[in-house]
Amino acid sequence: AQRVTQPEKLLSVFKGAPVELKCNYSYSGSPELFWYVQYSRQRLQLLLRHISRESIKGFTADLNKGETSFHLKKPFAQEEDSAMYYCAFQSGGSYIPTFGRGTSLIVHP
Amino acid sequence: KAGVTQTPRYLIKTRGQQVTLSCSPISGHRSVSWYQQTPGQGLQFLFEYFSETQRNKGNFPGRFSGRQFSNSRSEMNVSTLELGDSALYLCASSLGAGVADTQYFGPGTRLTVL
Repeated sequence: AQRVTQPEKLLSVFKGAPVELKCNYSYSGSPELFWYVQYSRQRLQLLLRHISRESIKGFTADLNKGETSFHLKKPFAQEEDSAMYYCAFQSGGSYIPTFGRGTSLIVHP
Repeated sequence: KAGVTQTPRYLIKTRGQQVTLSCSPISGHRSVSWYQQTPGQGLQFLFEYFSETQRNKGNFPGRFSGRQFSNSRSEMNVSTLELGDSALYLCASSLGAGVADTQYFGPGTRLTVL
């Protein structure tokens, strides 16, 4: 079955430290992968997707097909990055994504 | 464009009752998906509607049902409510045309079952 795993429920770092939120998927084909973010009291929204190869708010994510991973990285975390982050996966035959359970990122001052 | 709207925003019900939640998608979006969000389980997919037809369904009991109208607005109904149904119910809309569509989420309806 297609699945996306976020192994960490909680990630706690200090401001200025590098951060990496892990995401692994199980799928043999070419997936579409996304990171969604939910800030406190805001709605869930798209952060970035691998197909765009862009950097949003200093975050990047690279698809590693060999390791079936799509980890989200930022070299210097900011307090405003504190939020819930969801990795989402979509296969070629699906119209809707499958979400991971989410990782809560807390950035301490 | 106006974003996805959900009504009501908050709801308190008792066990055994039924509830109907409403979602209005972004104009032009034909796909509406429903998710249940809880602290323990995260986001769990309920079902997706496209052009008034249920196109995808998650692993939830038959007490959870939905429908979509010709204007793409969608409703979700939960019958015989249980305590475990307490959650934030999110609606998301997208073009629905294919893979890599961005999902646009509403603010959610917070359902509390007493």
